[in-house]
Amino acid sequence: EVQLLESGGGLVQPGGSLRLSCAASGFTFGTYALSWVRQAPGKGLEWVSSVSDSGGRTYYVDSVKGRFAISRDNSKNTLFLQMNSLRAEDTALYYCAKVDGTGTTSRAFDIWGQGTMVTVSS
Amino acid sequence: DIVMTQSPDSLAVSLGERATINCKASQSVLHNSNNKNYLAWYQQRPGQPPKLLIYWASTRESGVPDRFSGSGSGTDFTLTISSLQAEDVAVYYCQQYYSIPYTFGQGTKLEIK
Repeated sequence: EVQLLESGGGLVQPGGSLRLSCAASGFTFGTYALSWVRQAPGKGLEWVSSVSDSGGRTYYVDSVKGRFAISRDNSKNTLFLQMNSLRAEDTALYYCAKVDGTGTTSRAFDIWGQGTMVTVSS
Repeated sequence: DIVMTQSPDSLAVSLGERATINCKASQSVLHNSNNKNYLAWYQQRPGQPPKLLIYWASTRESGVPDRFSGSGSGTDFTLTISSLQAEDVAVYYCQQYYSIPYTFGQGTKLEIK
């Protein structure tokens, strides 16, 4: 069964840092691009970042550029999101998602994890 | 950035009736190189992650009931549920994956009348 399992969320003060992880199973991890999508409480979905299958290409929404860094370890089937200089507006449920085809990040998201909650508050 | 605008924001439909949700992109998401629309539809039930229903604007994901269908091209798209079932109560999102930043519509909340 194809699965994604996020971890690493929690309560952090403004300006603090967190590192999210997403452990994957059930598919050939290194052949698919992956993304992070977040959802603020009671709000809609917002794409945050994507990384290519090799990890060589990364993309970000403007609001997190320079603060967040996406990466992956294909030997450990794990995706990461390093979040620095966190702000209250980063409070959200963070999902990792797999694209539905190989070779590009420009595909629909066919598999989603259950999400990990990040709360930025003093 | 491509802005995705869904209508309506909420919708109440009787069981067995048709539900229609619209999605408009601020610019075309049709890629000339492959003639594909880079548009997906997702269903999010309460407390659950989103589930992919439709990709390439009209291709149903494996396992999705055939009462769900997607149509449209360029900038205007529609998700249709032909005969509403109780388990279809959810929020539905369209998303463009044509260009970064990949953007979602604001969501349409579907309820039973």
